Amino acid sequence: DSGVTQTPKHLITATGQRVTLRCSPRSGDLSVYWYQQSLDQGLQFLIHYYNGEERAKGNILERFSAQQFPDLHSELNLSSLELGDSALYFCASSVVRSSRLSDGYTFGSGTRLTVV
Amino acid sequence: TQLLEQSPQFLSIQEGENLTVYCNSSSVFSSLQWYRQEPGEGPVLLVTVVTGGEVKKLKRLTFQFGDARKDSSLHITAAQPGDTGLYLCAGEGRSNYKLTFGKGTLLTVNP
Repeated sequence: DSGVTQTPKHLITATGQRVTLRCSPRSGDLSVYWYQQSLDQGLQFLIHYYNGEERAKGNILERFSAQQFPDLHSELNLSSLELGDSALYFCASSVVRSSRLSDGYTFGSGTRLTVV
Repeated sequence: TQLLEQSPQFLSIQEGENLTVYCNSSSVFSSLQWYRQEPGEGPVLLVTVVTGGEVKKLKRLTFQFGDARKDSSLHITAAQPGDTGLYLCAGEGRSNYKLTFGKGTLLTVNP
């Protein structure tokens, strides 16, 4: 158990639908990152939240949104789902100790999303 | 955009052999990290290298950060079936905390 909890582990839904993925970071970590992993693209950065505020955006579609709540858990909302959105979605958390260094990310086990 | 190229993409070897995987970029990174990912799980951090030329050893694994902080290598001595997995390198940008990942090297160690 890495300490980062992601739910659900598997999700099967139809095209056009909306889903919410949830992430609880490791205790004490203020940063949450969302990544999408597919066979051809690898791990693609979606978005970063730090202590409730959005810090950086990557290749996140407009149909996707995220937020981090006061208790530091985060949700990734995916709407108007398309077949191509099928992928593994990972949440990671970290403790940022200085302006340059990080201690690395602790990843959850991911949510496997299948859009049919 | 900072890109990390990993090679080889796939590697299948016999138990006991040595191997090296590479991670290259044209960008300079504040730090570079190596992760290992097993099927159905998230990546797990193996090591972080920060200083150009730095070498870190973790049992049979040796990690090196290039002098210019643009590339890195992972060398495994006497590979074991338990080393099987996807090895990912990730670079930390100089102005933010975002990690950029390479696509990984899928290693299979056959008994």
